Amino acid sequence: DTAVSQTPKYLVTQMGNDKSIKCEQNLGHDTMYWYKQDSKKFLKIMFSYNNKELIINETVPNRFSPKSPDKAHLNLHINSLELGDSAVYFCASSQDGIRNEQFFGPGTRLTVL
Amino acid sequence: AQSVTQPDIHITVSEGASLELRCNYSYGATPYLFWYVQSPGQGLQLLLKYFSGDTLVQGIKGFEAEFKRSQSSFNLRKPSVHWSDAAEYFCAVGVRAGNMLTFGGGTRLMVKP
Repeated sequence: DTAVSQTPKYLVTQMGNDKSIKCEQNLGHDTMYWYKQDSKKFLKIMFSYNNKELIINETVPNRFSPKSPDKAHLNLHINSLELGDSAVYFCASSQDGIRNEQFFGPGTRLTVL
Repeated sequence: AQSVTQPDIHITVSEGASLELRCNYSYGATPYLFWYVQSPGQGLQLLLKYFSGDTLVQGIKGFEAEFKRSQSSFNLRKPSVHWSDAAEYFCAVGVRAGNMLTFGGGTRLMVKP
């Protein structure tokens, strides 16, 4: 069974479009995350979310928004896509608390043309 | 704000040789420190973590890391590298607020036969 899954695996789209990436975890975790990995492999936290609060990295443009329909899902919506949004996006989940391991999904490679 | 530096972008070692990957962090309080590994095309997997106590921590796959507060370092070691260890290695510091991880730039390990 896949612990953290993401769809799609690859996403190619035009500048200006709006797109979503879905994430699901079957681990029963209460906290989920989105990370962005750029072409130089630099990995940056975008959001941390549980049923209590959403914490946003201040460097993330407001074109990006997480949506959580339920505890097992945290989808990433991106409006007005720009070339610089091209990256690999990773979803992760954990039990609440910094001591708990974060489990990562396989990533979604987004290419904006 | 916290930050993590991995001084070595690439490292090549021969199979069977010992390995040390360097990590330096900057954080105002007692750090929560992690090492993750990313195999090509995959998500990240936790190797080990340090919160308190014994400064030498053991992880999976035969890896260990030593926390040195005086040097603000958390270097990863393995006594004998296997070809399957070839991957990207990330050091990270975590903060309690949102369980958010700040990653270093990564070190790509290549293993020569």
